Amino acid sequence: AQSVTQLDSQVPVFEEAPVELRCNYSSSVSVYLFWYVQYPNQGLQLLLKYLSGSTLVKGINGFEAEFNKSQTSFHLRKPSVHISDTAEYFCAVSEAGGGNKLTFGTGTQLKVEL
Amino acid sequence: GAVVSQHPSRVICKSGTSVKIECRSLDFQATTMFWYRQFPKQSLMLMATSNEGSKATYEQGVEKDKFLINHASLTLSTLTVTSAHPEDSSFYICSARDGGQGDTGELFFGEGSRLTVL
Repeated sequence: AQSVTQLDSQVPVFEEAPVELRCNYSSSVSVYLFWYVQYPNQGLQLLLKYLSGSTLVKGINGFEAEFNKSQTSFHLRKPSVHISDTAEYFCAVSEAGGGNKLTFGTGTQLKVEL
Repeated sequence: GAVVSQHPSRVICKSGTSVKIECRSLDFQATTMFWYRQFPKQSLMLMATSNEGSKATYEQGVEKDKFLINHASLTLSTLTVTSAHPEDSSFYICSARDGGQGDTGELFFGEGSRLTVL
């Protein structure tokens, strides 16, 4: 079984500042890793995913994440945030080749302020 | 990208009634669909995995007789909350896997359905 830990429940940041949302996972098998964004009362939108290969993954809206196997982390970063990035961000993991059953972290609320 | 549509987006019902939520894949065939429940300010909890043409697999603690799942075609799965009670009020989200993409790991999510039971 896999588990995901998002240590920060809320991250306030000023507009145009950089941000990092932390994600650590636990698994005894190879995994796929994902970051999803959720706006109020909406479903989830995929930001980026890591399946294999390059550990630095670039996604939509200027986000990127780096897979670090030794630290079992997959932190999400953006060099300069915008007000429109205010949302809930979920890190998720699935077993590689395991049929897409996702396990989600508890989410991080990113609040971008002027 | 692939689109998953959920309907209705909001539903209010009286206690004791049943409510059906539909999840459709609009431009791909979804061999597998997943149903999640999300409480306010919390993460998504997987309720069940729905495979086309077979019975759904429910997660531990989810009452299969209360949350009926039907995946009758490659583009439609339904979740029926039977004899709904106020504690069933929640945000229900479906997701689907594109069967034609192999195991890329990506799921496509519906917009969610907010159920309020009075």
